[in-house]
Amino acid sequence: DGGITQSPKYLFRKEGQNVTLSCEQNLNHDAMYWYRQDPGQGLRLIYYSQIVNDFQKGDIAEGYSVSREKKESFPLTVTSAQKNPTAFYLCASCPGLAHNEQFFGPGTRLTVL
Amino acid sequence: RKEVEQDPGPFNVPEGATVAFNCTYSNSASQSFFWYRQDCRKEPKLLMSVYSSGNEDGRFTAQLNRASQYISLLIRDSKLSDSATYLCVVNANNTGKLIFGQGTTLQVKP
Repeated sequence: DGGITQSPKYLFRKEGQNVTLSCEQNLNHDAMYWYRQDPGQGLRLIYYSQIVNDFQKGDIAEGYSVSREKKESFPLTVTSAQKNPTAFYLCASCPGLAHNEQFFGPGTRLTVL
Repeated sequence: RKEVEQDPGPFNVPEGATVAFNCTYSNSASQSFFWYRQDCRKEPKLLMSVYSSGNEDGRFTAQLNRASQYISLLIRDSKLSDSATYLCVVNANNTGKLIFGQGTTLQVKP
């Protein structure tokens, strides 16, 4: 089955630790995105990548880093520099055409203690 | 002003009711529009794209008004299973970046 997977579903970390969230897709999509969602707010774009080995900052990139070494994979690292890392993190992909809808993974709920 | 604005609700309606949500966007150059549905603690899923001519999918009708810069979603004959948060989404230009509204919560009661 084709789709987007994120792991783990729930993640707990201590303050000051870096943590990497996984996102994999087998849809052969060129573009991939990372969002965070906080209660009462819409999704906010962290980073996106239109093609392998290239990525751009979104609206709230500070404290995050990404890599896009393979088309299928777009891991997100939440660093200790991120002031409020506790959130629901969603990964999405789309074929790359500007007008296509995005398909979302199931999300990772990160809690920093 | 937010780029995409929605009334967060909640909208509490009885089963069988008709309910409508509006969403306004600030960028007149916006190209594509979507409604996503998000169930509690789950990922958003595409409900429908919104076309200039309006489009209908069963009990759901989406409309776009470019002059007034808003899109709407109409749900007829509401079901309990329609209870969710509905996200208005706008693709402002050709980068593929989507701007999400904060969502409108619908609760359908028996």
